[in-house]
Amino acid sequence: AQSVTQPDIHITVSEGASLELRCNYSYGATPYLFWYVQSPGQGLQLLLKYFSGDTLVQGIKGFEAEFKRSQSSFNLRKPSVHWSDAAEYFCAVGGRMDSNYQLIWGAGTKLIIKP
Amino acid sequence: GAGVSQSPRYKVAKRGQDVALRCDPISGHVSLFWYQQALGQGPEFLTYFQNEAQLDKSGLPSDRFFAERPEGSVSTLKIQRTQQEDSAVYLCASSPGLVDTQYFGPGTRLTVL
Repeated sequence: AQSVTQPDIHITVSEGASLELRCNYSYGATPYLFWYVQSPGQGLQLLLKYFSGDTLVQGIKGFEAEFKRSQSSFNLRKPSVHWSDAAEYFCAVGGRMDSNYQLIWGAGTKLIIKP
Repeated sequence: GAGVSQSPRYKVAKRGQDVALRCDPISGHVSLFWYQQALGQGPEFLTYFQNEAQLDKSGLPSDRFFAERPEGSVSTLKIQRTQQEDSAVYLCASSPGLVDTQYFGPGTRLTVL
């Protein structure tokens, strides 16, 4: 079955510290991978995506993610977080399955920033 | 440029009422998706349009849910005889093609009393 797991429901990080949010997936075809961020009352904003090529992808706001096929993972990282990064982060996987296309989403990780 | 817009942003309905949620995608985007997001959860796929054709409606939870996109642009998600379990945020997304980045609207928060 297709699924996305974000093991951490909440993560608390001090401002200026590094961040890693975990994402593991199970998918029966070549996956396309996404990280989105959702701030309170806001829509989902794309941070970065992986379709093919270099497995380390750079995104907006200083985020990056690395696709590791052998581990079925696509973890999100940032070297130094800012208070404005406090939000909920969603990992999603999609691809061509049975000629249709839909995104399968994780349950999200809420990032809390300590001053 | 203009992003995806949704209206209303908030909707309160009494159980049993019908509601209609509107999505205005980014101009020229071929694909349009509807998702349902329950509190504390990730979005769940409801249905997908390519232009005016509804190619996948496998995520619609019951026959009370109906979506249309008659001219391949604006889409409406209709829920008949609303139930409390329909309370959620309904998200619309559009993308230029099939396998492409999806751009999301702000969502409509539906509360069924």
